Amino acid sequence: AQKITQTQPGMFVQEKEAVTLDCTYDTSDQSYGLFWYKQPSSGEMIFLIYQGSYDEQNATEGRYSLNFQKARKSANLVISASQLGDSAMYFCAMTEPRAGGTSYGKLTFGQGTILTVHP
Amino acid sequence: NAGVTQTPKFRILKIGQSMTLQCAQDMNHNYMYWYRQDPGMGLKLIYYSVGAGITDKGEVPNGYNVSRSTTEDFPLRLELAAPSQTSVYFCASSYTSGGFNEQFFGPGTRLTVL
Repeated sequence: AQKITQTQPGMFVQEKEAVTLDCTYDTSDQSYGLFWYKQPSSGEMIFLIYQGSYDEQNATEGRYSLNFQKARKSANLVISASQLGDSAMYFCAMTEPRAGGTSYGKLTFGQGTILTVHP
Repeated sequence: NAGVTQTPKFRILKIGQSMTLQCAQDMNHNYMYWYRQDPGMGLKLIYYSVGAGITDKGEVPNGYNVSRSTTEDFPLRLELAAPSQTSVYFCASSYTSGGFNEQFFGPGTRLTVL
């Protein structure tokens, strides 16, 4: 079974600095997708960024970038120029490997990292 | 578009009671999912559906049932509620299942079983 590991229960960063949130995954499949979601204290799930296993370039979305190291099975989220509004729980997630060419899009989530941005 | 809507937002149940969590989406998505999130944990898949009339179990299906009679609606039924089902329940939907299949989440239902 596939597994997502986020080893940092909590992280602190100073406003305007960059921060890296770690994510490692375990799968034997070659085709998969990796996602990062943000969950603020209000509870909603907000999609941040996606990386496909065959994507050659690291994904970027505004201040978010994904440091994808396939051989190490890691997909770390980098947030540049942190803002107070970035304080939230962050989840790394992975799609189920394809079975017979069909993936049903089911997500497996890590346990999350709570990020606190200090002014 | 309203996106994914869930009702109710909050509910307190007594042990042994039953209830249905409602989920609807107006994006014409074929794929829909139910997850639960226990305190301080990540989300776990309960059930999912790949289209009207087609559902299947996820990682933690025990104690729950689903149905999908229309593309729009995907209700989750709890029979004989237990304290272990105290959790936040999220419904999600996506247009496709392969490649970049962003899942759009509802606001969640916070359920307490006493």
